[in-house]
Amino acid sequence: AQSVTQLDSHVSVSEGTPVLLRCNYSSSYSPSLFWYVQHPNKGLQLLLKYTSAATLVKGINGFEAEFKKSETSFHLTKPSAHMSDAAEYFCAVRGSARQLTFGSGTQLTVLP
Amino acid sequence: DAGITQSPRHKVTETGTPVTLRCHQTENHRYMYWYRQDPGHGLRLIHYSYGVKDTDKGEVSDGYSVSRSKTEDFLLTLESATSSQTSVYFCAISESRTGKSYEQYFGPGTRLTVT
Repeated sequence: AQSVTQLDSHVSVSEGTPVLLRCNYSSSYSPSLFWYVQHPNKGLQLLLKYTSAATLVKGINGFEAEFKKSETSFHLTKPSAHMSDAAEYFCAVRGSARQLTFGSGTQLTVLP
Repeated sequence: DAGITQSPRHKVTETGTPVTLRCHQTENHRYMYWYRQDPGHGLRLIHYSYGVKDTDKGEVSDGYSVSRSKTEDFLLTLESATSSQTSVYFCAISESRTGKSYEQYFGPGTRLTVT
């Protein structure tokens, strides 16, 4: 079975400082991993995906994530936070039948 | 944005009444999913479909049924709504017919309140 643990339910950063959102996964086979962002009262938008190609994945809006098999991690980073990055972020792992199993989310607050 | 619409966007209903939520896609994707989102739980899969008339249960399927009679439409039915089914419901699609694509694209959501 697949599972995802997002290690922080809330993260606060100041505008212009780096962002780190942590995700650990468990998978029975070579995983496909995803990060999604959800702004208030909106649906989920795909930020980036890892599907066994390069371990450093670049996504939209300056976000990137690094797949580390030895640590079973897929942490999301951004060098410099912007006010518009304030949102909830979800990590997900693909299971059988192309289902996604989601983490419980990390709420990112960006302080001026 | 992926061509996914959900209707209604908001609904308030009474305990014990039947409710049907509709998901419509214009992308011709093979897979369609229904999730519910509740605080502290992320998104949990209710049911999914891998083709017309082909559906299967997800993690939290009790009290829900689905139907898919056309590629573009996936219906979620609460036969007798309960207060525990108050939630935000999201539809998602994946896998275009032109290639393998494992990521899912989400609709805008339906906020359902059961009183």
